[in-house]
Amino acid sequence: DAGITQSPRHKVTETGTPVTLRCHQTENHRYMYWYRQDPGHGLRLIHYSYGVKDTDKGEVSDGYSVSRSKTEDFLLTLESATSSQTSVYFCAISPGGNNEQFFGPGTRLTVL
Amino acid sequence: QQQVKQSPQSLIVQKGGISIINCAYENTAFDYFPWYQQFPGKGPALLIAIRPDVSEKKEGRFTISFNKSAKQFSLHIMDSQPGDSATYFCAASHGGTSYGKLTFGQGTILTVHP
Repeated sequence: DAGITQSPRHKVTETGTPVTLRCHQTENHRYMYWYRQDPGHGLRLIHYSYGVKDTDKGEVSDGYSVSRSKTEDFLLTLESATSSQTSVYFCAISPGGNNEQFFGPGTRLTVL
Repeated sequence: QQQVKQSPQSLIVQKGGISIINCAYENTAFDYFPWYQQFPGKGPALLIAIRPDVSEKKEGRFTISFNKSAKQFSLHIMDSQPGDSATYFCAASHGGTSYGKLTFGQGTILTVHP
């Protein structure tokens, strides 16, 4: 998986609790992305980062926040999880802004 | 709105046949069109990609055909094999201040029967 790890790989949580997902890369790539995958929707961009402390919103950012304090780590936080955030979350990295993106193995999140 | 529409949703092909998946886009600023392959429980993996300066790109059994005027592109899998059974996603992006954000199609579940 191109030097990308995601943790946890599976998580079950309850509505209203905060959840943080971690993406870690060993490639030293500048760009990192968080996507969610839902049946019938493909993958949709949540947030992305184009450098340390440089982040911006994607298509479906409501209810999510991110942080990137160092090149190798990109954190996705659900401030107060809702059932609609049950999904599979993928992190991706890229060496350049308009080039190949490498995806991690994903985190399956269930919000009860 | 930056949409990429993919069809069909599912596709069944016999071993040795040709699988064809189509995508259409709206944003004329898109200049990078990748196809991803995803197996159950795994992350998407880049299969092949094209930029609009060429109309076709071939890598082994996989070919992308690109029609800039129609704003369409398609994936052809020749001599389809059971191991090709997976979900396929088309996507599009553009550089500059877009930072390469990918817009994905809805996905096509391909089943290749032996």
